[in-house]
Amino acid sequence: DTGVSQNPRHKITKRGQNVTFRCDPISEHNRLYWYRQTLGQGPEFLTYFQNEAQLEKSRLLSDRFSAERPKGSFSTLEIQRTEQGDSAMYLCATRQSYEQYFGPGTRLTVT
Amino acid sequence: EDQVTQSPEALRLQEGESSSLNCSYTVSGLRGLFWYRQDPGKGPEFLFTLYSAGEEKEKERLKATLTKKESFLHITAPKPEDSATYLCAVQDYSNTGKLIFGQGTTLQVKP
Repeated sequence: DTGVSQNPRHKITKRGQNVTFRCDPISEHNRLYWYRQTLGQGPEFLTYFQNEAQLEKSRLLSDRFSAERPKGSFSTLEIQRTEQGDSAMYLCATRQSYEQYFGPGTRLTVT
Repeated sequence: EDQVTQSPEALRLQEGESSSLNCSYTVSGLRGLFWYRQDPGKGPEFLFTLYSAGEEKEKERLKATLTKKESFLHITAPKPEDSATYLCAVQDYSNTGKLIFGQGTTLQVKP
């Protein structure tokens, strides 16, 4: 257990619905990352927060995706109007020094 | 553009049969190279960070090495519990510290 928690662990939704995931980081880590991982691939970077500021977004993050980190604590990732191609594992990681520690992930299935 | 390629994609070993996993990378400036272990349905678990060519790190049956173009993860006398996907990632000197991952090597160790 890295101390990074994510909820829910699994989410099944119908195409077109909105979903929101939550990440609770290790309390003293001010840097937070979201990644997406599809089957058989390594994680791909989505976005980065330092405290409450969102400092980088990948071009993978379409306008249907939005992420927030109010007050520099927990973070949420919302996907609007989900598509079947959004089915993946969504991973949150927080950083101490240069190492990133990952949560257990949220598995999203869009039917 | 930073890029990471891992080989082989899959590896089957008998218990006790030592082998190596390869991670080839191209990066504008290497801040660190990271190895993670990932079990099915879980988030990546941090194993090692390597910072400069010639550096080596060891943990139990695993040893990671780094050159200017590639890294190796050597597994000595593996056990079935070493079965997992091993991910390699690089971090450059950008301010965000995001990780660029390879696709992973799935290791199966048979008793």
